[in-house]
Amino acid sequence: DILMTQSPSTLSASVGDTVTITCRASQTINIWLAWYQQKPGKAPNLLIYHASNLKSGVPSRFSGSGSGTEFTLTIRGLQPDDFATYYCQQYNTYPPWTFGQGTKVEIK
Amino acid sequence: QEQLVESGGGLVKPGGSLRLSCAASGFYFSDYYMSWIRQAPGKGLEWISYISSTSSTIAYADSVKGRFSISRDNAKKSLFLQMNSLRVEDTGVYYCARAQFESPHDSWGQGTLVTVSS
Repeated sequence: DILMTQSPSTLSASVGDTVTITCRASQTINIWLAWYQQKPGKAPNLLIYHASNLKSGVPSRFSGSGSGTEFTLTIRGLQPDDFATYYCQQYNTYPPWTFGQGTKVEIK
Repeated sequence: QEQLVESGGGLVKPGGSLRLSCAASGFYFSDYYMSWIRQAPGKGLEWISYISSTSSTIAYADSVKGRFSISRDNAKKSLFLQMNSLRVEDTGVYYCARAQFESPHDSWGQGTLVTVSS
């Protein structure tokens, strides 16, 4: 199984900040990586697919990059609505689909 | 607008059974793989089972293999998860989600809570 490792586990930031979350895969997954946002008590919501493609309707302050084994999610100009937990997921080799352990973005 | 709605969760004793359902609407259900993904309280996301669009391919995570059974009814646009021999560690919110080949899970239900406790 492909192990996905996110860092950091928790990130404290202020409104307006730019934040970056990293996701590393235990073996190459090409560009088959997605990022999800999850708010408490809600289902995950797809933000980015194929490593860098923004899902329709997702604000442009979100961006993704990377290929192979290292990927990043960047949020530029953090908004109050962005404080949530973010997960990466690989879909290069499945089953199983595997997720990172999550990164909680909290208010500083 | 695509929608997935889970049902069937609840409180069950260890060793008991539950059957979860997921009703799909707003999209052509037969075109999609379907997965069950769960989340233990305060924990991350764990994929547990998948069924192909025609039910020809089924897979389970090791944590549920031999105890859970996934099925679907394309005519009724429904997905199911039969959960037997439930354990305390099966407690969590269970989501159904859709995917296609070389694509992520792009639509999820709201989840249904399963609590296994004596």
